[in-house]
Amino acid sequence: GESVGLHLPTLSVQEGDNSIINCAYSNSASDYFIWYKQESGKGPQFIIDIRSNMDKRQGQRVTVLLNKTVKHLSLQIAATQPGDSAVYFCAENRVQGAQKLVFGQGTRLTINP
Amino acid sequence: DAGVTQSPTHLIKTRGQHVTLRCSPISGHKSVSWYQQVLGQGPQFIFQYYEKEERGRGNFPDRFSARQFPNYSSELNVNALLLGDSALYLCASSRHGEELFFGSGTQLSVL
Repeated sequence: GESVGLHLPTLSVQEGDNSIINCAYSNSASDYFIWYKQESGKGPQFIIDIRSNMDKRQGQRVTVLLNKTVKHLSLQIAATQPGDSAVYFCAENRVQGAQKLVFGQGTRLTINP
Repeated sequence: DAGVTQSPTHLIKTRGQHVTLRCSPISGHKSVSWYQQVLGQGPQFIFQYYEKEERGRGNFPDRFSARQFPNYSSELNVNALLLGDSALYLCASSRHGEELFFGSGTQLSVL
């Protein structure tokens, strides 16, 4: 079936460096994506979203890029901090009667001091 | 303001038993969704309820059921528990069609 997936299960970066987390999707009709951060013992927390009519969106220290041609999106975190350590998920927001999030498998980001 | 609250936070059951998980949405949110998150994977959609009616169901067996009450709180019920039902069960609430806010989940262990 059509899916959303991440390229790497783990990513380790030095504190202060930039992080890039990648995600691929298979459904060319997908039009709304959300990045979530999940810390240990907590539920997923919204970071940033992007719709298919955009190819870039920026937030505070985060940028999401969407490449519809190759069905790929990425989350860039600038100047990573220890508090950025978490599992990051990309999710497709589908509305087909119900509002349903289809999550990828997640990338665990570890920040080295 | 309180976020989405779930109870209990942890639960241990044995195979064949039944379990009920509870969720209180953010005040003003009429939509509640349930997700199952197996260790090492992303959450998977189980149900969405809006205005006390089921709006959608994921690919889960009939052993899974849910309901939403007049105050918009919700229960997830799982019958005849299997070892594979061990997971973190997440509840999320939203205003209809808007951003989902997740609770911290109920960690269910089936022995």
